[in-house]
Amino acid sequence: EAGVAQSPRYKIIEKRQSVAFWCNPISGHATLYWYQQILGQGPKLLIQFQNNGVVDDSQLPKDRFSAERLKGVDSTLKIQPAKLEDSAVYLCASSPRTRNTIYFGEGSWLTVV
Amino acid sequence: AQSVTQLDSHVSVSEGTPVLLRCNYSSSYSPSLFWYVQHPNKGLQLLLKYTSAATLVKGINGFEAEFKKSETSFHLTKPSAHMSDAAEYFCVVTLYSSASKIIFGSGTRLSIRP
Repeated sequence: EAGVAQSPRYKIIEKRQSVAFWCNPISGHATLYWYQQILGQGPKLLIQFQNNGVVDDSQLPKDRFSAERLKGVDSTLKIQPAKLEDSAVYLCASSPRTRNTIYFGEGSWLTVV
Repeated sequence: AQSVTQLDSHVSVSEGTPVLLRCNYSSSYSPSLFWYVQHPNKGLQLLLKYTSAATLVKGINGFEAEFKKSETSFHLTKPSAHMSDAAEYFCVVTLYSSASKIIFGSGTRLSIRP
């Protein structure tokens, strides 16, 4: 079974530029998550989708971050404009239902300079 | 309030000796509990999970954890540490109420001495 796919794996941008990350969850998984993990810390949930609807985006900085999950499959996370403090790993995860095991991708590593 | 506490930010053991990583949770609901491992520059990999079946859960790579409701604990153990076990370990709780909520512990860095 293929795992959660993320791209790009690594990205370096200057502050105030924009960046987009893509995630393809495990086939058939209804729930998709985006987490932000700053070096030395645990992951922080940014947004949770159930199919193509948003379940929780309470910690998403909506002035600069946006995410969508069209057709309830792939998802894109965008940051515009980026700040230095956005340097982190962005982890995508999926689960069959909200009450089940979460499977993580390898992460997209963002450095803002 | 629901929370997860990993009692040690860093644990160092010698190769071949037992490993104990501690996790306590606070929850008003019946939780599901997970341990994930994160090796450097990698994503999170599921080690094991407890979902109200057997209280002693066996995972990959020789790890196991025991759910103790009376102590609200879910400590991770391994009888004999290997150099490849060096990584960050996260205890995770999912809480089922009106909306599922996932809570991560702050992580424990495991170092293995030769």
